[in-house]
Amino acid sequence: AQSVAQPEDQVNVAEGNPLTVKCTYSVSGNPYLFWYVQYPNRGLQFLLKYITGDNLVKGSYGFEAEFNKSQTSFHLKKPSALVSDSALYFCAVRDGAGANNLFFGTGTRLTVIP
Amino acid sequence: KAGVTQTPRYLIKTRGQQVTLSCSPISGHRSVSWYQQTPGQGLQFLFEYFSETQRNKGNFPGRFSGRQFSNSRSEMNVSTLELGDSALYLCASSFIGDSSYEQYFGPGTRLTVT
Repeated sequence: AQSVAQPEDQVNVAEGNPLTVKCTYSVSGNPYLFWYVQYPNRGLQFLLKYITGDNLVKGSYGFEAEFNKSQTSFHLKKPSALVSDSALYFCAVRDGAGANNLFFGTGTRLTVIP
Repeated sequence: KAGVTQTPRYLIKTRGQQVTLSCSPISGHRSVSWYQQTPGQGLQFLFEYFSETQRNKGNFPGRFSGRQFSNSRSEMNVSTLELGDSALYLCASSFIGDSSYEQYFGPGTRLTVT
């Protein structure tokens, strides 16, 4: 069965500092990995994905993620955090080769401190 | 292109009642998935519809059902509401066939059961 783990419920970072939100995965077959962000009272917004190719994936709003097969990780990163990045971040994996639905991690709340 | 729309945005129902939620996907998207988001269980997949057929189903009781119309609009129905059904219900649409695998989420319907 597919699964993702987000080991940190909360991450705090000072504005201007680099940020990392961690995600590890467990899949059978090739991993199809995603990051989504959720702002209060809003749906999920797609940030980036890894399907195949380069291990460093660039996405929206200056975010990037590094796929590491040996460590089964897909950490989300940004070189310089903004206060407006404060939100709930979800890592997700496609739930099986023939499925279109996503299996989500428990989410990490990022707070960027001015 | 207009995004995924969900109606209503907020709903208050009483235990034992039934409720119908609606989702209009992005134009051209034929797959619609539904997710339930609660503080305790996080984001959980309910079901996916593609070309008016349910393709995949999560682990929810039969009180949760859905359908999709020929214009790809989808509805989900919850019968005999329980307090635990209080949640944010998210709809996501995707374009099947372009290998993008991205899902685009609507703003959600906040259901409160009293």
